[in-house]
Amino acid sequence: RKEVEQDPGPFNVPEGATVAFNCTYSNSASQSFFWYRQDCRKEPKLLMSVYSSGNEDGRFTAQLNRASQYISLLIRDSKLSDSATYLCVVNSGGYQKVTFGIGTKLQVIP
Amino acid sequence: GAVVSQHPSRVICKSGTSVKIECRSLDFQATTMFWYRQFPKQSLMLMATSNEGSKATYEQGVEKDKFLINHASLTLSTLTVTSAHPEDSSFYICSASRGAGNTDTQYFGPGTRLTVL
Repeated sequence: RKEVEQDPGPFNVPEGATVAFNCTYSNSASQSFFWYRQDCRKEPKLLMSVYSSGNEDGRFTAQLNRASQYISLLIRDSKLSDSATYLCVVNSGGYQKVTFGIGTKLQVIP
Repeated sequence: GAVVSQHPSRVICKSGTSVKIECRSLDFQATTMFWYRQFPKQSLMLMATSNEGSKATYEQGVEKDKFLINHASLTLSTLTVTSAHPEDSSFYICSASRGAGNTDTQYFGPGTRLTVL
């Protein structure tokens, strides 16, 4: 089983739709969780950290479910500019070692 | 902000040559720098972690004699791909972190696309 698993998609959604991605992780000792956004052929950029209590930043909501070992990202009112690949990133418990998921590709269509 | 630059952004070289990639943190001191590579349609894979003034820690399966990492200062790390071969063609990305804790944010450079002919 991979350390971090994501559905690669693509998810094609119309503008204004709500879309959710899940990401599962295998190491129950993982401590930190992040969502990054990566545009085509560019570097990843931090979108948000994921906290146990869940956190929200504008149209984006991230949640962590430790019991089931998954994190989620919800995007409301999708914009064309949200089109990108969303990377799930998990700190595996080692010294700052993080593991990236393969990413979920989102395409928002007009 | 926290800006990380990489140079060059793109390099094409012949098989057997060595290529050096620089990673700089422009507006902060990076305690730790990381080197990743990303093959097409695959996830970023950590190659090595380096701290200024120390030897890099390489991930399993990454040859330390082939991928030489030097972290000479708190703002500069270099990755040298020695005797490059076509299978080394990839997107190499560095990241830098201010602190050493598990929750410290990594700031990514723009990446270097290496093509080995």
